[in-house]
Amino acid sequence: EAQVTQNPRYLITVTGKKLTVTCSQNMNHEYMSWYRQDPGLGLRQIYYSMNVEVTDKGDVPEGYKVSRKEKRNFPLILESPSPNQTSLYFCASSFAESSTDTQYFGPGTRLTVL
Amino acid sequence: AQSVTQLDSQVPVFEEAPVELRCNYSSSVSVYLFWYVQYPNQGLQLLLKYLSGSTLVKGINGFEAEFNKSQTSFHLRKPSVHISDTAEYFCAVSPNYGGSQGNLIFGKGTKLSVKP
Repeated sequence: EAQVTQNPRYLITVTGKKLTVTCSQNMNHEYMSWYRQDPGLGLRQIYYSMNVEVTDKGDVPEGYKVSRKEKRNFPLILESPSPNQTSLYFCASSFAESSTDTQYFGPGTRLTVL
Repeated sequence: AQSVTQLDSQVPVFEEAPVELRCNYSSSVSVYLFWYVQYPNQGLQLLLKYLSGSTLVKGINGFEAEFNKSQTSFHLRKPSVHISDTAEYFCAVSPNYGGSQGNLIFGKGTKLSVKP
């Protein structure tokens, strides 16, 4: 089954404790991205990657890091989480970097930073 | 830069009634247009998209949307809704630079609540 998976689905942590949210897709997609969803703000892009070892900032990259060492994986790293990073996070992927391509979304990771 | 405005944050409607969810966009270049749906506790999935051609686009689950270039709108419609259509709907645009990366700009979402 074609899918985007994220782990963990739920996470409660404390300020400053480094964490990683994993994202993996099995569709051989080149393009992957991370979004955060906050009430009343919709989805905002954090980082994206057009291919292995190629990443770039989205609209709200501060406080986040990413890496793309393999095509299928695109982890999101919070080196020192803060309460304002409490949010619902989605990973997405698409086949190519074209603007026309449908993005497939993971199920989401709900992060709470105390 | 592009922006998307979803004019209604919440739309309550009775089952079997028609519904329209409104979306306007702003862009200095041409755009591709999308509607995504998010069911409770799930990720987003594509309902429909407009890339070119006919301005009336049909999607899954009986939804359709019409692209109006002069009014920069892409409103989503369904003639008769079901309880199962209760979800949050997101309008999104992607700039048409000709093969650029698929950066989607989302609206803030419209929560559709279908009541029996």
